[in-house]
Parts: sequence; structure tokens; C-alpha cells
Amino acid sequence: DTGVSQDPRHKITKRGQNVTFRCDPISEHNRLYWYRQTLGQGPEFLTYFQNEAQLEKSRLLSDRFSAERPKGSFSTLEIQRTEQGDSAMYLCASSIQALKGNTIYFGEGSWLTVV
Amino acid sequence: KNEVEQSPQNLTAQEGEFITINCSYSVGISALHWLQQHPGGGIVSLFMLSSGKKKHGRLIATINIQEKHSSLHITASHPRDSAVYICAAYGNKLVFGAGTILRVKS
Repeated sequence: DTGVSQDPRHKITKRGQNVTFRCDPISEHNRLYWYRQTLGQGPEFLTYFQNEAQLEKSRLLSDRFSAERPKGSFSTLEIQRTEQGDSAMYLCASSIQALKGNTIYFGEGSWLTVV
Repeated sequence: KNEVEQSPQNLTAQEGEFITINCSYSVGISALHWLQQHPGGGIVSLFMLSSGKKKHGRLIATINIQEKHSSLHITASHPRDSAVYICAAYGNKLVFGAGTILRVKS
């Protein structure tokens, strides 16, 4: 499978615990995006990387959230001291940067439930 | 006001009907994407447009750059078309609309 893969697909955690999600993009893609989606809403932008550089972070990304892409390949999104409001699907996408836009490929998402 | 607005939010159609979903955006873009999301989360890219019109099977997408407006049309709709359809505007990142929940009844 050469698509975007995310792990784990589902995570149930107790409030206050830390969780980490991993995204493996398509291998030649230099851009990687993280989005969050709650029920009934379209995905909301969290952050994106070009290679290993984190180019933009949304104000939605509080201090409890951190994302890395250490070697410009896979990325991790960590949520510390989870709160019930963090329950959502965390969606990863990747693309090749091009001048006129580019096709973006999505992972299937990582569902987080904080109880 | 959101940067990307979709209408309608919910749409119920009878099998065979012609369906139109609209998308307006306020940001400068290099491309606009139409996406389909099925229950369970998986998102599939249907179209990427920077001008004009594209067609794939029963799906047609159009964009008017001057008016900052795009439409997705489904001809001869079928229950398997039931899904959430999302438009997303690409500048340096994708900005998503809230989605249109489509239900096609047989």
C-alpha cells in the first residue's frame, strides 16, 4: 500500500493522558498536513510541514499539541494532558509542492476519544 | 465569515435527480479541490480545478475564478453517491468548507 497511512486508527484515552499519532506520507511527497475534524464539520487546519520544516501552525494548536517531522518523512502529532474537547478525528495528508496546486492524498484518519 | 462556504449543508435527493453543490471562497487560490468523505472518515479527492470544467463519469466540477465560485454536479444520482462532499481551497494550504451531507434515496 503506497498511500498515506496513519496509526493508530482509533485511540481511547483517559483525560490527562498523553497520546501520539503517526502519519506516514507517500514517499516522494515533501508536504505533510495535519487537520482535525469533529462530527458535522469539515476538517480544520492544524499545521503543515515542507520536508522537515514546520511552516505554519494554526491558533487551534494549543501548547499541549506538538508536531514533528524529524527526517522529512513520517510525522508525529502529540497531544499532552488530553481533554475531552480533544476528541476528534486527526487527519493527515501529503502532497508534492507544485506551482499550480497539487493533488493531495489523505490518510484515513486517527479517531481520538477522550473519556 | 469562513474563508470557504458551501451550500447547501444538507441535501436529500431522489435517485436519478441532478444535484448541485456550491462553493464560494474568499481567499486567493491556485487550485480548488472537491473531496468525498464516506462514514468512517476516508477522504477521496474527486477533482482538482484551477480553471474551467472537469468531468469524471457522472460528476462534473466547474470553477469561475473571477467570481470565486465553484460547483459540483452529479447527474443521474444514485444511493451510492450518498456521502459528505467537501470543497477545499488551496493557497499555500488547504482550507476546507464545512461539507455538504448528501443522501440519495432509492
